[in-house]
Amino acid sequence: DVVMTQSPLSLPVTLGQPASISCRSSQSLVHDDGNTYLNWFQQRPGQSPRRLIYEVSNRDSGVPDRFSGSGSGTDFTLRISRVEAEDVGVYYCMQGTHWPRTFGQGTKVEIK
Amino acid sequence: DVQLVQSGADMKKPGESLKISCRGSGYSFANYWIAWVRQMPGRGLECLGIIYPGDSETRYSPSFQGQVTISADKSISTAYLQWSSLKASDSAIYYCARGASMFDYWGQGTLVTVSS
Repeated sequence: DVVMTQSPLSLPVTLGQPASISCRSSQSLVHDDGNTYLNWFQQRPGQSPRRLIYEVSNRDSGVPDRFSGSGSGTDFTLRISRVEAEDVGVYYCMQGTHWPRTFGQGTKVEIK
Repeated sequence: DVQLVQSGADMKKPGESLKISCRGSGYSFANYWIAWVRQMPGRGLECLGIIYPGDSETRYSPSFQGQVTISADKSISTAYLQWSSLKASDSAIYYCARGASMFDYWGQGTLVTVSS
């Protein structure tokens, strides 16, 4: 299985400050079709996961533009330009290139 | 609007069987894979497997092969996850999500509690 490793696992942030989460995969996530299937999800307390970013850097509809994704190959990053109170939750990366699909351990974002 | 609506919470005893459901609406259900994802208490997300309702092609994650059965009935736009003999370790929230790689829409989750 492809292992997805996130860091940090806990991220205390000050409101209005930037935040960054790293996700590294044990194998390249470039698919045979040329696409890289790396998604980012947000899970607020008590809610279902919600997709924020797909194929590394494409923001889903309705996702604030303070969220951005970047990276390639095995190294990916989710950035929040200015953290707001509603961003509290756990963030997961997930690879959709290889079977089985695998998720990172999750990064808990909280307000300092 | 795309929606995935899951069946309600269930409590079972070890050894009992269970089938939970996920009904899709607002899109062509038969033409999109459905994935099942487990979240054990206080833990992360794990993909159990996926099904293509159009022809019921199914793929299981190796860790869950033989432990669960995934099925679908495209005539009623519903996917299922079932156990023949539950264990306490099956206690978790189970989510369905649309897509084999996309996971763009998620159900509200079904809490399964297995306890004697």
